Amino acid sequence: GAGVSQSPSNKVTEKGKDVELRCDPISGHTALYWYRQSLGQGLEFLIYFQGNSAPDKSGLPSDRFSAERTGGSVSTLTIQRTQQEDSAVYLCAILLLYGEQFFGPGTRLTVL
Amino acid sequence: DQQVKQNSPSLSVQEGRISILNCDYTNSMFDYFLWYKKYPAEGPTFLISISSIKDKNEDGRFTVFLNKSAKHLSLHIVPSQPGDSAVYFCAATGNEKLTFGTGTRLTIIP
Repeated sequence: GAGVSQSPSNKVTEKGKDVELRCDPISGHTALYWYRQSLGQGLEFLIYFQGNSAPDKSGLPSDRFSAERTGGSVSTLTIQRTQQEDSAVYLCAILLLYGEQFFGPGTRLTVL
Repeated sequence: DQQVKQNSPSLSVQEGRISILNCDYTNSMFDYFLWYKKYPAEGPTFLISISSIKDKNEDGRFTVFLNKSAKHLSLHIVPSQPGDSAVYFCAATGNEKLTFGTGTRLTIIP
């Protein structure tokens, strides 16, 4: 969507390598979310940033996953030592209204 | 623990007929429900929502019904059009986090 861009759109990596996914939302939205959608699965919540509060990391599947949000805008999701089960579409979203989130186009990650 | 469930992974409907997509939830703290539509290689887009204080919300061809006692909601699309073919996700929230169902792939047959 025009309000949230994500890069790269596709990423192919080898098992064991680290990857960094980027989310660049339009300014003015304090809440930012990361989700992933594995093949045939729903959207799985990963992490949530709200202003200057500590992020809600309750959805991160392992300590290989981490995320940052710098300056209240750009966010990066880092996956260390990637595994094949990390293959998924990673989606970033901002909060527009209560409950309503606006999603970026996603990054398709393939781990060989 | 799947708090939001969409038990039909796929649904095929003839063009012009009504499409009914169903969703069940277990968490009684949810107070706002949404439907998202997703095309391949795109992020989900918001379609329609309903607050727990209502039992129906209508927007053009799309109507969402909420049955709180049954913890069930449904999305009706009438008449169905080929462009409605997509994956539909049900979502629920009681705070600022959304919990999504696994989606239903809707195919409209011309």
